[in-house]
Amino acid sequence: GQQVMQIPQYQHVQEGEDFTTYCNSSTTLSNIQWYKQRPGGHPVFLIQLVKSGEVKKQKRLTFQFGEAKKNSSLHITATQTTDVGTYFCAGPASGTYKYIFGTGTRLKVLA
Amino acid sequence: GAVVSQHPSWVICKSGTSVKIECRSLDFQATTMFWYRQFPKQSLMLMATSNEGSKATYEQGVEKDKFLINHASLTLSTLTVTSAHPEDSSFYICSARDTAEVISRTDTQYFGPGTRLTVL
Repeated sequence: GQQVMQIPQYQHVQEGEDFTTYCNSSTTLSNIQWYKQRPGGHPVFLIQLVKSGEVKKQKRLTFQFGEAKKNSSLHITATQTTDVGTYFCAGPASGTYKYIFGTGTRLKVLA
Repeated sequence: GAVVSQHPSWVICKSGTSVKIECRSLDFQATTMFWYRQFPKQSLMLMATSNEGSKATYEQGVEKDKFLINHASLTLSTLTVTSAHPEDSSFYICSARDTAEVISRTDTQYFGPGTRLTVL
């Protein structure tokens, strides 16, 4: 079945360092969404990318959708302790509106 | 706007009992809601899709007789875990698609705060 993998699984960074998580789908996606889940919390929608090669920015966060629409990345510049949490990508299962969540990348930021 | 609530936020029950979890969209109508399960330090696994006025569709491997879903109105879906066992202990999260956004082809899911179920 369709799989969405993320690397790395964990990342510890020093505050101020950059962070990137990569998302890879086994199938082409019509769009990709990114979510952030704080420890003990629920996923919060960050952004949706639709177009091939699309790049979107939200302050220190940069999201990119691959040209083949099978991969995506989230880059955080100059991490802060408030960035701590698990970042998930999610893509729709082929031909449906059901979203398959990636394996997630857990980010810890050391002050 | 776009707030989804879940009740209860946590529940502890004895093995063999049933537990009902409610998911409500507070300020929008949701024709479709989703139920996910998340084990500690793992990703969200879709259990079923709840459709207002019709039967829920379950993902492969999810027992429909054990996880009963009812979506009786455009703002409420319920998940009942029947004859709960310790292995059912998990974080259950619902999400809802705003019907108006679906029409406009925006595809955001709004997540509830989750329900932590512990079965003793």
